[in-house]
Amino acid sequence: EAQVTQNPRYLITVTGKKLTVTCSQNMNHEYMSWYRQDPGLGLRQIYYSMNVEVTDKGDVPEGYKVSRKEKRNFPLILESPSPNQTSLYFCASSYRGAGNTIYFGEGSWLTVV
Amino acid sequence: SQQGEEDPQALSIQEGENATMNCSYKTSINNLQWYRQNSGRGLVHLILIRSNEREKHSGRLRVTLDTSKKSSSLLITASRAADTASYFCATDDNYGQNFVFGPGTRLSVLP
Repeated sequence: EAQVTQNPRYLITVTGKKLTVTCSQNMNHEYMSWYRQDPGLGLRQIYYSMNVEVTDKGDVPEGYKVSRKEKRNFPLILESPSPNQTSLYFCASSYRGAGNTIYFGEGSWLTVV
Repeated sequence: SQQGEEDPQALSIQEGENATMNCSYKTSINNLQWYRQNSGRGLVHLILIRSNEREKHSGRLRVTLDTSKKSSSLLITASRAADTASYFCATDDNYGQNFVFGPGTRLSVLP
């Protein structure tokens, strides 16, 4: 079954404690992306990757890092989380190029206290 | 930056009525897609329309695209309570590489 899997799904953490949200897809997609979703602001792109070792900033990259060492994985790293990073995070993947369906993970609810 | 902007932000209708949502975008596109999101869940693809198409149907969904006005509409006919969700349009960026989502329309279908 085609899947984008994120972990953890729910996390409460403290300010400054580094955390990683993992994302894995089983569809051999080249394109992967991270979004955050906040009330009234829709989906805002954090980082995206067009292929292994190729990453680009989205609209709101500050405070986040990513890596793409393997095609299937695209982890999101919060080196020093702050309360304003409390949000619902989505990972997505697709075959490269416009016109391809984007597949989303189920989301990760992150609370930073 | 967000390319697509949905309108209205929120829409409330009775079951059985039709729901129409609009999406406007700024620059030329290759494709436009519509997605649905149930509360707090991941987005699910509904339909894609290419820039050389004007209208597309899928079940109770009808999508139109007007590239001269840089706008698209999503019509859901004979709505059901289960259609209650947020709907997003997504366009490709100037290079046809990345996808950009609008802020979405929240649809509530009342029984």
